[in-house]
Amino acid sequence: DSGVTQTPKHLITATGQRVTLRCSPRSGDLSVYWYQQSLDQGLQFLIQYYNGEERAKGNILERFSAQQFPDLHSELNLSSLELGDSALYFCASSVGSGRAWEPLHFGNGTRLTVT
Amino acid sequence: AQTVTQSQPEMSVQEAETVTLSCTYDTSESDYYLFWYKQPPSRQMILVIRQEAYKQQNATENRFSVNFQKAAKSFSLKISDSQLGDAAMYFCAYRSLNDYSGNTGKLIFGQGTTLQVKP
Repeated sequence: DSGVTQTPKHLITATGQRVTLRCSPRSGDLSVYWYQQSLDQGLQFLIQYYNGEERAKGNILERFSAQQFPDLHSELNLSSLELGDSALYFCASSVGSGRAWEPLHFGNGTRLTVT
Repeated sequence: AQTVTQSQPEMSVQEAETVTLSCTYDTSESDYYLFWYKQPPSRQMILVIRQEAYKQQNATENRFSVNFQKAAKSFSLKISDSQLGDAAMYFCAYRSLNDYSGNTGKLIFGQGTTLQVKP
């Protein structure tokens, strides 16, 4: 068990809808990262938050947004969903600001299916 | 931009045998970290081993070891005495050491290699 909790485990929704994925980092970790894993794109970095502030941004669509709250949990909001957004969304956490030597601890992911 | 390539979509190995998974990467940086992650059917990403680019000695973790060839930009994973529990998808990943862009948190993954272990 990595200590990173993601909810829900599975989510099925229709095109055009909006969903929120939630992540609780490992106790003591200040950074949260979001990754998308799909069959065609592989594992793609979306965004990182460190102690409530956006730290780094990757291939995140404008329809997607994220935030990290004072209690350090994070939410990834996906809106105007398309079929191609169906993927496994991972959250990971690390203790510091994201230095290369800090191990990332991954959650079990949320499987999103858009129909 | 950095890229990571895993050219073997699938590999298989007999239980107790040794298998090597290949990974190459492209970067203009001199300092970075390389990782191998395992993703079993439970789908959780598990860190297997990591290598610091400035260290010449190859990292080892029990039955897992790497062959790091910096000049060739190659980072292969060797699994010795393969066990049924090693069956999973394995991902090679790159992480920059330089913080000038604030992007050291970003892991760049390869496409993955599915490893089958035959009893």
